Amino acid sequence: EVQLLESGGGLVQPGGSLRLSCAASGFTFSSYAVSWVRQAPGKGLEWVSGISADGGTTYYADSVRGRFTISRDNSKDALFLQMNSLRVEDTAVYFCAKAKQDGYNYEPFDSWGQGTLVTVSS
Amino acid sequence: DIQMTQSPSTLSASVGDRVTITCRASQGISKWLAWYQQKPGKPPKLLIYTASSLESGVPSRFSGSGSGTEFTLTISSLQPDDSATYYCQQFNRYPLTFGGGTKLEIK
Repeated sequence: EVQLLESGGGLVQPGGSLRLSCAASGFTFSSYAVSWVRQAPGKGLEWVSGISADGGTTYYADSVRGRFTISRDNSKDALFLQMNSLRVEDTAVYFCAKAKQDGYNYEPFDSWGQGTLVTVSS
Repeated sequence: DIQMTQSPSTLSASVGDRVTITCRASQGISKWLAWYQQKPGKPPKLLIYTASSLESGVPSRFSGSGSGTEFTLTISSLQPDDSATYYCQQFNRYPLTFGGGTKLEIK
């Protein structure tokens, strides 16, 4: 069974930093692209960042480019999101999500974690 | 960026009704569209991919159609468990983008 478990969320002040992690199991992590998707309280889904299976290609939404960095450790089946210069508008539940088909970067997400809440507030 | 526009934003229907949700892309995305269902406090669930392919385990009352810029999600006979918010998403080009969502309520 595919499982994705996010951690690292919490309360942080504006301008602060946070590092999210996503532990993957139940599939060959190193074969799949993965992404972070967020959802502000009561709002819709917003794709944040994605990374190819081998980690060599990364993608970012304009809203986070230059502030967030996505990375992965295929030896540990783990995905990360380093978030710097956090803003109030970054407050959201952050989900990690797995691409449906291995080897492709342009895929829908067939598995999601339960999410971790990031609150940016003074 | 490709903008995804869903309509309606809210929808109320009765059990047994046929329900259709529309998603429009600001530019052509061929068939590279997915539909998700999300219930409160839960992550999204993939229903349809490549515009019309039914994800494994999803009831056959769900179907998708369209290509280019116009897409629809249809529920052929609405069930109480279908109360949720539905999102479309394009995966033709980065940044990946979602529609604003359609909240479906059961009368």
